[in-house]
Amino acid sequence: EVQLVESGGDLVPPGGSLRLSCTTSGFTFSAYTMNWVRQAPGKGLEWISFIDRTSTTRLYADSVKGRFTISRDDAQSTLYLQMNSLRAEDTAVYYCAKGHGPGSYLIDQWGQGILVTVSS
Amino acid sequence: ENVLTQSPGTLSLSPGERATLSCRASQSVNNNYFAWYQQKPGQAPRLLIYDASTRATGIPDRFSGSGSGTDFTLSISRLEPEDFAVYYCQQYAGTPRTFGQGTKVEVK
Repeated sequence: EVQLVESGGDLVPPGGSLRLSCTTSGFTFSAYTMNWVRQAPGKGLEWISFIDRTSTTRLYADSVKGRFTISRDDAQSTLYLQMNSLRAEDTAVYYCAKGHGPGSYLIDQWGQGILVTVSS
Repeated sequence: ENVLTQSPGTLSLSPGERATLSCRASQSVNNNYFAWYQQKPGQAPRLLIYDASTRATGIPDRFSGSGSGTDFTLSISRLEPEDFAVYYCQQYAGTPRTFGQGTKVEVK
């Protein structure tokens, strides 16, 4: 069974930093693309970042470009999101999401999500 | 950015009725790289349909997707109690991947 478990969410002040982790199991992590998607309270889904299998291609939404960095550790089957210069509008539930295949842009599995709150 | 607009915002129906949800893209979606997700309160989204019309693993055949180019539809042939939820469309052909704003299917 595929499992994606996010951790690292917290209450941080504006301008602060946070690193989210997504620990995975039940599939060969190194063979799949991965994503981060967020959902502000009461709002819809917003894709924010993608990483391919080799970490060669990393894509970001304009809203986080230059502030957030996606990375992966295949030995630990873990996905990361380093978030810097956080703003109030970054407050959201952050979902780790698995790609459908080796080069796929489709998301087929989601973690349960972790709340990040940016507030003074 | 390919903006996706879902309609209606809310669909009020009774169990057993047919639901038809629409999603219009501002630009043509290449390769029909188009998906539908279901989200229930407090839960993560679940993939229902991908490549515009392919049901994901384990999805009942009452769910079907159609469309191409800029216009896509999700149909639920006979609503079951567990189908009342919010549905999102998404295109994954371009960057940024974009989602629609969601359609809530509620009990009439």
